[in-house]
Amino acid sequence: NAGVTQTPKFQVLKTGQSMTLQCAQDMNHNSMYWYRQDPGMGLRLIYYSASEGTTDKGEVPNGYNVSRLNKREFSLRLESAAPSQTSVYFCASIPGQEVYGYTFGSGTRLTVV
Amino acid sequence: RKEVEQDPGPFNVPEGATVAFNCTYSNSASQSFFWYRQDCRKEPKLLMSVYSSGNEDGRFTAQLNRASQYISLLIRDSKLSDSATYLCVVPGGFKTIFGAGTRLFVKA
Repeated sequence: NAGVTQTPKFQVLKTGQSMTLQCAQDMNHNSMYWYRQDPGMGLRLIYYSASEGTTDKGEVPNGYNVSRLNKREFSLRLESAAPSQTSVYFCASIPGQEVYGYTFGSGTRLTVV
Repeated sequence: RKEVEQDPGPFNVPEGATVAFNCTYSNSASQSFFWYRQDCRKEPKLLMSVYSSGNEDGRFTAQLNRASQYISLLIRDSKLSDSATYLCVVPGGFKTIFGAGTRLFVKA
């Protein structure tokens, strides 16, 4: 089925460990986003990629890095995990125009202990 | 004033009831809006878009009040399956704002 695929679905890290969250979409969308969702708060943008080859910081980029490997794939890396990064992470994509809305992946539940 | 504000609820309603949620926004220049539905431990999914005065899709009606800067979502004849969190979204590329959501529980 066409859509956005995220891996892994669950992850527990120890403080200081690193990991990469993978995201791939097969809808030929130009723009891709990484959000985090915390209880009682709206989705907050970490990084985005407006098109292949470009990436930019969002609202909460500290502690994260991203790579837009090609048009399909957009990965998020935590270099040295901290408990404050415990959250649910969603990757999303849209075609060129927002009128069609965002398509989200199923999310990654990350716990940092 | 927050950029997007929603009543967190929860709203507890019986099956068959009509329920309405409001969402206020601060950017008077916003032209379009979305309502997303998010089931427990799932990703948000697009429910409806609102580009002018309103939009209707079956039991769901979204309305926009530009003068007062709010959008509303009306659900008629509530079903158990409508239980979810409803997110108000003001699109804007990397400036898109997601509300924290309103939780709805529909009971038999």
